[in-house]
Amino acid sequence: NAGVTQTPKFRVLKTGQSMTLLCAQDMNHEYMYWYRQDPGMGLRLIHYSVGEGTTAKGEVPDGYNVSRLKKQNFLLGLESAAPSQTSVYFCASSYSKVVSEAFFGQGTRLTVV
Amino acid sequence: AQSVTQPDIHITVSEGASLELRCNYSYGATPYLFWYVQSPGQGLQLLLKYFSGDTLVQGIKGFEAEFKRSQSSFNLRKPSVHWSDAAEYFCAVGARGNTGKLIFGQGTTLQVKP
Repeated sequence: NAGVTQTPKFRVLKTGQSMTLLCAQDMNHEYMYWYRQDPGMGLRLIHYSVGEGTTAKGEVPDGYNVSRLKKQNFLLGLESAAPSQTSVYFCASSYSKVVSEAFFGQGTRLTVV
Repeated sequence: AQSVTQPDIHITVSEGASLELRCNYSYGATPYLFWYVQSPGQGLQLLLKYFSGDTLVQGIKGFEAEFKRSQSSFNLRKPSVHWSDAAEYFCAVGARGNTGKLIFGQGTTLQVKP
């Protein structure tokens, strides 16, 4: 019963480096999301996907790109990391186009130095 | 615009005492409302949700929440707090449109005194 799995769990990047965060879900959910969590700001939506091959911008998309080539995977990319992208990143998925419960991964703690 | 406000950033209660965490939302129609809990170093776990019907909803771990439309509130309660309830709690509202997006409050950190 894996649910939503994020890889890696921790990462330290230098400014200007690139990386990809992987999210995988085994619940056959159509909808997937990337959020970032910063102290005192709750979780803010970066990008989301309503199905395989689709992506859309959320509240804070700048500096990030995403891809959903397979239904079960949702990738978040940072092309040129900046210290402002130091955060905890959460992936989530849900099963209905009507608002429903979202299932969250364990998070990825990213530090950009 | 849709928004969620959790007025209390930190709350400290004694073990065995009752708990109420406040949540206020701004939304133009009947909202879908959620409470999530995040233990240190963990992801978010759903405590309870309100979609329609009975305005008092029961969740896991002995939590309940009451939807009050007149006050635009969805406060979380527990009659007797356990030390294991120490965590961060997030209130969220479902965003408009059929996308499943959530809008989160800032979070409330609960500390439990022995």
